[in-house]
Amino acid sequence: AQSVTQPDIHITVSEGASLELRCNYSYGATPYLFWYVQSPGQGLQLLLKYFSGDTLVQGIKGFEAEFKRSQSSFNLRKPSVHWSDAAEYFCAVGNSGNTPLVFGKGTRLSVIA
Amino acid sequence: EAGVTQSPTHLIKTRGQQATLRCSPISGHTSVYWYQQALGLGLQFLLWYDEGEERNRGNFPPRFSGRQFPNYSSELNVNALELEDSALYLCASSSLGTGGQPQHFGDGTRLSIL
Repeated sequence: AQSVTQPDIHITVSEGASLELRCNYSYGATPYLFWYVQSPGQGLQLLLKYFSGDTLVQGIKGFEAEFKRSQSSFNLRKPSVHWSDAAEYFCAVGNSGNTPLVFGKGTRLSVIA
Repeated sequence: EAGVTQSPTHLIKTRGQQATLRCSPISGHTSVYWYQQALGLGLQFLLWYDEGEERNRGNFPPRFSGRQFPNYSSELNVNALELEDSALYLCASSSLGTGGQPQHFGDGTRLSIL
């Protein structure tokens, strides 16, 4: 069965600092991987996705993520965080079959001045 | 292009009542997913409909049910409401009926049980 672990429940970074949010997955084959962001009171917005090919994927809002098969990881990064990036971030894993996406429990990002 | 729309935005019910939540997917999307997001519990998968059929169901009691209409819109019904059903209910849609497609989310229906 697929599973996703986001080890960090809450992270606080200073505005302008770099950011890395961790995501580890469990899946036997090559997974489909996603990062979503949720602002308070809103639904989830897709930041980026990985299906195959280049292991470094670029997303919206200046985010990128790197797929590392050997580490079963798909960490999200941003070189310089803005106050508007404060939100909840969810990693998700899927496959091509009949099982729906499996989401991690999320990492809440706080940004301080 | 209109995104996924959900109605109502907020819904207040009392224990034992029934609630109906509605979702309109992005035009051209045939799959609709329902999730429950209770405080501190992350996203819990409820139901997945594709082409009018139920494709998969999460670990929820039978009083959570739904359907998908010929225009691919969907509704989620929750019977015999309990206090623990208070949550944000999110609907998502995708263009193909396979599990690996990116899902596009609506802003949810906040269900409060008094």
